[in-house]
Amino acid sequence: NAGVMQNPRHLVRRRGQEARLRCSPMKGHSHVYWYRQLPEEGLKFMVYLQKENIIDESGMPKERFSAEFPKEGPSILRIQQVVRGDSAAYFCASSPQGGNTIYFGEGSWLTVV
Amino acid sequence: DQQVKQNSPSLSVQEGRISILNCDYTNSMFDYFLWYKKYPAEGPTFLISISSIKDKNEDGRFTVFLNKSAKHLSLHIVPSQPGDSAVYFCAARGDSGYALNFGKGTSLLVTP
Repeated sequence: NAGVMQNPRHLVRRRGQEARLRCSPMKGHSHVYWYRQLPEEGLKFMVYLQKENIIDESGMPKERFSAEFPKEGPSILRIQQVVRGDSAAYFCASSPQGGNTIYFGEGSWLTVV
Repeated sequence: DQQVKQNSPSLSVQEGRISILNCDYTNSMFDYFLWYKKYPAEGPTFLISISSIKDKNEDGRFTVFLNKSAKHLSLHIVPSQPGDSAVYFCAARGDSGYALNFGKGTSLLVTP
């Protein structure tokens, strides 16, 4: 499967725990994006990364959220001390250098109990 | 601050007829527009896009029309098929050149 790979697909965390979501971009893609979809809402941009660089994190909440895209391995979206309001679908997308279209993964559904 | 709006939360169309999904935007700096289709519990799938220098783009049963003066675009699906039943998201690329602004989606139901 050459598509954007996300794992885990479903994650349940208790309030106060940490959530880590992983994303491997499509082969040949060097740009990664994270989006969040809250219930009954559209997708909201969170962060845009290239290898070892955060290009734009203007959509990330100021606290508890961080993202990285290391030289080796997948991109990781990390949420510390999760709260109920973090329950959402988190979608990763990727694009090639200079590409206009971004392609999404299947999503990771986080439920905070 | 919803810059991309899909004012119809849902649409029901008979199989074989035309489905028209509408999208309005407020930011005149948007230069690239995309439509995605999404099934429950899956990620959005890219359908079709259009650059602001064009007013129409066609791909099989899907056609996107862009009216820049009205800041409006629409997706036409003809003929509609039951497998087209999904949520359709309109998205626009902003000044940054990469971040997409999404509408809230329109749920399309195609009935046999």
